[in-house]
Amino acid sequence: QVQLQESGPGLVKPSGTLSLNCTVSGGSISRSDWWGWVRQPPGKGLEWVAEIYHSGGTKYNPSLKSRVTISRDKSNNLLSLKLSSVTAADTAIYYCARHKDYGDYVDSWGPGTLVTVSS
Amino acid sequence: QSVLTQPPSVSGAPGQRVTISCTGSSSNVGAGFDVHWYQQLPGRAPKLLIYINNNRPSGVPDRFSGSKSGTSASLAIAGLQAEDEADYYCQSYDNRLPGYVVFGGGTKLTVL
Repeated sequence: QVQLQESGPGLVKPSGTLSLNCTVSGGSISRSDWWGWVRQPPGKGLEWVAEIYHSGGTKYNPSLKSRVTISRDKSNNLLSLKLSSVTAADTAIYYCARHKDYGDYVDSWGPGTLVTVSS
Repeated sequence: QSVLTQPPSVSGAPGQRVTISCTGSSSNVGAGFDVHWYQQLPGRAPKLLIYINNNRPSGVPDRFSGSKSGTSASLAIAGLQAEDEADYYCQSYDNRLPGYVVFGGGTKLTVL
């Protein structure tokens, strides 16, 4: 049973960079599937952010692509997200997620971490 | 504005059957891409409910079922129970960009 746990600062200043990590246990991020991030602004719906394939390929939400980078640390089974030039609109719960290779549905979610953008 | 359109809310009495629609277009559901459904209880992370249109993960009751036709998909919940009160989201691909994952705006289910 794969488990995902997000970590990172809960508060980021406007125009700064949001940085989050996701520790994956019970599964290898370099062996199979896509691994990524989904966010949810308070009281709003889900928004797909980015994914990285087990072999290293990446894909991004086009509305965020110019500001977001997803990466991985294979040796530590760690997923990372960086979002630059943040504004209050980036305030959200950020979920780490495993997307199945066929179908791209999320079968495992982290508990989520709230990131607030505020001065 | 979400790429996939869901009704903001639906409601039903215990024991009733409700359906939640997910309406797309020729660039996503209508293009043949699979639809998946998630349940999100208050204060919790989403949970996979239906994958690849009509498949239930282990542990999901058979009261939940999914279907797809044309540019739309539906989630049906039979024998409504109080614990089904949650937000429900559909997900698919959109072919305007390779691998572009899209979610519906979500539907709040209220059990009366």
